[in-house]
Amino acid sequence: EIVMTQSPATLSMSPGARATLSCRASQSVSSNLAWYQQKPGQPPRLLIYGASTRATGIPDRFSGSGSGTEFTLTINSLQSEDFTVYYCQQYKIWPLTFGGGTKVEIK
Amino acid sequence: EVQLLESGGGLVQPGGSLRLSCAASGFTFSSSAMSWVRQTPGRGLEWVASLTTTGTSTFYADSVKGRFTISRDNSKNALFLQMKSLRAEDTAAYFCAKVFQGGGGTFFDYWGQGALVTVSS
Repeated sequence: EIVMTQSPATLSMSPGARATLSCRASQSVSSNLAWYQQKPGQPPRLLIYGASTRATGIPDRFSGSGSGTEFTLTINSLQSEDFTVYYCQQYKIWPLTFGGGTKVEIK
Repeated sequence: EVQLLESGGGLVQPGGSLRLSCAASGFTFSSSAMSWVRQTPGRGLEWVASLTTTGTSTFYADSVKGRFTISRDNSKNALFLQMKSLRAEDTAAYFCAKVFQGGGGTFFDYWGQGALVTVSS
C-alpha cells in the first residue's frame, strides 16, 4: 500500500498570505494525485486532480504541483473560507490512499 | 445538480450487519463508477470499495474484504454497501462518492453528506 504523508499537520497563516501544503508518497504515483478541501460538517470537495489540474469551479488561487513522490498545494492570498482541512489522495495503485490531512488555521 | 444521498446508517452490535444505500441524481448514474469512502476522527479518510459502471468489477480495501459487498442498481440510480461481521473499528461516517469521469483514475468529484455507522454493544 502507498502511504501518503502530509505536512505540516497544522499550518498557522494570516489572511492574504500564501500557504504551501506538502504531500509525500511512499513510492511514485506519477501525477495520479488529487487534493480535497473539507470544511466542518461537510464532505470533501475536489480541488485538484492530475497533480495540477483545477477541478471545475475552483478559484485560481489554488494550484497544485509535483510528480512522483513529492507534491505541493499552494493557496495564494488566503481567504477566510480557505481556513480548513486539506487532504491528498493517490490513485495510481489500489488500494486508494489518503494523506492524514493538513489543517490551515488563522494565525 | 448532482446529489448523492446516503441512508441506512445507525447503531449495530459487533458481529451484526447493516446495508447502506445511496440515491443518486443529477447525472448519468449508469455511466459513472462509484465508491464508498469512510472517515473517522482517528484514522481520517479511508477508501472502502469501488465498482465500475456495470458493477462487474469491484475493488475492496483489505480491511473490509470478505465482509463488505458493494453493488449498484442502475435502473434505480442506487449504490449499496452491504456490511457484515461488523467490528468496532468499522465505526465511521460512510460517504458515497462519484468517480470523476475521464480523469484516468479513481478520484471523486462529488460526495454525499455521509451516513454514520456506529458499531457498539
